[in-house]
Amino acid sequence: GAGVSQSPSNKVTEKGKDVELRCDPISGHTALYWYRQSLGQGLEFLIYFQGNSAPDKSGLPSDRFSAERTGGSVSTLTIQRTQQEDSAVYLCASSFLWVGGAHEQYFGPGTRLTVT
Amino acid sequence: DAKTTQPPSMDCAEGRAANLPCNHSTISGNEYVYWYRQIHSQGPQYIIHGLKNNETNEMASLIITEDRKSSTLILPHATLRDTAVYYCIVRVENYGQNFVFGPGTRLSVLP
Repeated sequence: GAGVSQSPSNKVTEKGKDVELRCDPISGHTALYWYRQSLGQGLEFLIYFQGNSAPDKSGLPSDRFSAERTGGSVSTLTIQRTQQEDSAVYLCASSFLWVGGAHEQYFGPGTRLTVT
Repeated sequence: DAKTTQPPSMDCAEGRAANLPCNHSTISGNEYVYWYRQIHSQGPQYIIHGLKNNETNEMASLIITEDRKSSTLILPHATLRDTAVYYCIVRVENYGQNFVFGPGTRLSVLP
């Protein structure tokens, strides 16, 4: 079946511009996660959605970052007034959600953001 | 979450078994062991997970010691396409908790 998809795959933007990154999770997955990975670094957690609500926004690096999810499906990560340090691969993952048990997350291919 | 320790890099000959170790000496009773891998320029890929018992699927086997303080991921017949960074993660099964990825082990499968 279809996996997690993300768009665009690559985005080059000028410093100070706003960008929107999109994630389409696996159908039926209630949980959705955003991570980012800077060049040569590990994954950094940004935000998590349970349905349309975001109980954990602790990883968002600044108030320039925001995310929303509508209809319990597609999510958009928005970065306002981009800075060069925002350059990274932004990864989305989704999983089922139930009490107890294992919850493996399935990742999309990522969006490579370059801020010039 | 408990911290994990993995060797930074390993080599393996093509066709041989790759055994990737992970130490998680502070793991608690309700934490699962997960393995993911990340092939260059791709998103992380789920491999396998376990709690206490050894597990096997079409990709790999997971051997967890009886005291659960360490585990080994086994790729039985490594191929060049298995070259990747392998991440061992321990995690409590709470609602929607994110994964915390460490630096992992960079496995190079050599021809």
